[in-house]
Amino acid sequence: NAGVTQTPKFQVLKTGQSMTLQCAQDMNHNSMYWYRQDPGMGLRLIYYSASEGTTDKGEVPNGYNVSRLNKREFSLRLESAAPSQTSVYFCASREQGGTEAFFGQGTRLTVV
Amino acid sequence: AQSVTQPDIHITVSEGASLELRCNYSYGATPYLFWYVQSPGQGLQLLLKYFSGDTLVQGIKGFEAEFKRSQSSFNLRKPSVHWSDAAEYFCAVTHMEYGNKLVFGAGTILRVKS
Repeated sequence: NAGVTQTPKFQVLKTGQSMTLQCAQDMNHNSMYWYRQDPGMGLRLIYYSASEGTTDKGEVPNGYNVSRLNKREFSLRLESAAPSQTSVYFCASREQGGTEAFFGQGTRLTVV
Repeated sequence: AQSVTQPDIHITVSEGASLELRCNYSYGATPYLFWYVQSPGQGLQLLLKYFSGDTLVQGIKGFEAEFKRSQSSFNLRKPSVHWSDAAEYFCAVTHMEYGNKLVFGAGTILRVKS
């Protein structure tokens, strides 16, 4: 009963390095989301995918790209990491309509 | 643009006292509304949700929330707070009219004093 699985859990990058955060869900949900959480700012939506084959920008998409690889997987890529991208990243999935989101345990990313 | 506002960044209440956390939204249609809780270092747990029908909804851990269309609000309440309720609380909003985007408020940190 895995739910939403994020990898890695922790990561330290140097400025300018690239990396991909992986997210997979086993609940057959149509919609998937990537958020970043910073103190005092709540969860800010980076990108989301309402259904397989579609992706849309959220509130803070700059510096990120996403891929909805299939219905299960939604990855977030940092092409050239910056210290401002130091944050905790959460992936979530849900069915469409009035259903709640289920969250992964988060990835704590530090860019030095 | 759609938005969610949680006006209180921090709230401190005494154990056993009542609690109300505020949430206001700006959407054209009546959205789907959620409250989540996050304990330190943990993920997010759903407390309750509102889609339609009875405007007073009950959740887990003794929480309830009331949807007020006229005030565009969905405030979270608890009659008697326990020390274990200390956490950060998030209001979230979505609607299919807005592409199924799920937007969160900035959160309210609840401190409970004994």
